[in-house]
Amino acid sequence: QSVLTQPPSVSAAPGQKVTVSCFGSSSNIGNNFVSWYQQLPGTAPKLLIYDNNKRPSGIPDRFSGSKSGTSATLGITGLQTGDEADYYCGTWDSSLSVVVFGGGTKLTVL
Amino acid sequence: QVQLVESGGGVVQPGGSLRLSCAGSGFPFNNYAMHWVRQAPGKGLEWVAVISYDGGNKYYADSVKGRFTISRDPSKNTLSLQMNSLRTEDTGVYYCARDVVVSSYLDYWGQGTLVTVSS
Repeated sequence: QSVLTQPPSVSAAPGQKVTVSCFGSSSNIGNNFVSWYQQLPGTAPKLLIYDNNKRPSGIPDRFSGSKSGTSATLGITGLQTGDEADYYCGTWDSSLSVVVFGGGTKLTVL
Repeated sequence: QVQLVESGGGVVQPGGSLRLSCAGSGFPFNNYAMHWVRQAPGKGLEWVAVISYDGGNKYYADSVKGRFTISRDPSKNTLSLQMNSLRTEDTGVYYCARDVVVSSYLDYWGQGTLVTVSS
C-alpha cells in the first residue's frame, strides 16, 4: 500500500487530454513539493515535473503539474501513442523522513 | 552529459549479501544527494535510501533499515549500497538517482541493475 494514492489506470484517445491524480497528506504533499516521473516500458523512470509545476528542459508543454492542499495532478494534453507509460508522483514525507511514491498510473492511449 | 551507471547486481541466496555501485559522471558528483530506488518485477517504484552530498545525512525506508547501508566515495564519484540479510522480497531492479538536496526531486536516473534473491 503506497503512501500516495494514484488511480491504477487512465485512458484517452489520441489528441485528447488526461489527468492523473495523486492524493497524500499534510506530512507529505501538503508541506512539500511534488514531482512526477514517466516510465516508458522497459526503461528507467524520467523526471517529468518538479516543484509541483515546473518542467525540466526538453519536456514539452503538453505536460503540466498542479498542487492543491494534499493532492496533486498531472495533466497531459494532445495525447500521443508515445505517451503510453506508467506515471508516478513522488514527494518527501517530513514526518517519516523518507521519499514516498504513488503506486503508479498506467496511461493507455486508445 | 550526466551519466549514472549501476553495477553489482546478480543472483544471491536468501540471507546473503550484495554490494551495488553507481558511478556518476558529467556533473560535480560531490555537490548532489544521491538515492537508491528499486522496482520489483511488475510493480511500482519503491524508494530505498538517500545520502546527502557530503555523506553526513542518510535516510532509509523501514523495509531495509538495519540491513542496507548507503555510502559514497567522493574520490571515485561513486555511490554504493551494501545489502545484507537479503530476502526474496528484495528482488528487483535497483536504480540510483541524483537529487539537488535530500528531499527534493530525482532529476537523473541510471539504467538500473537487477538483483534476484532466490534459493
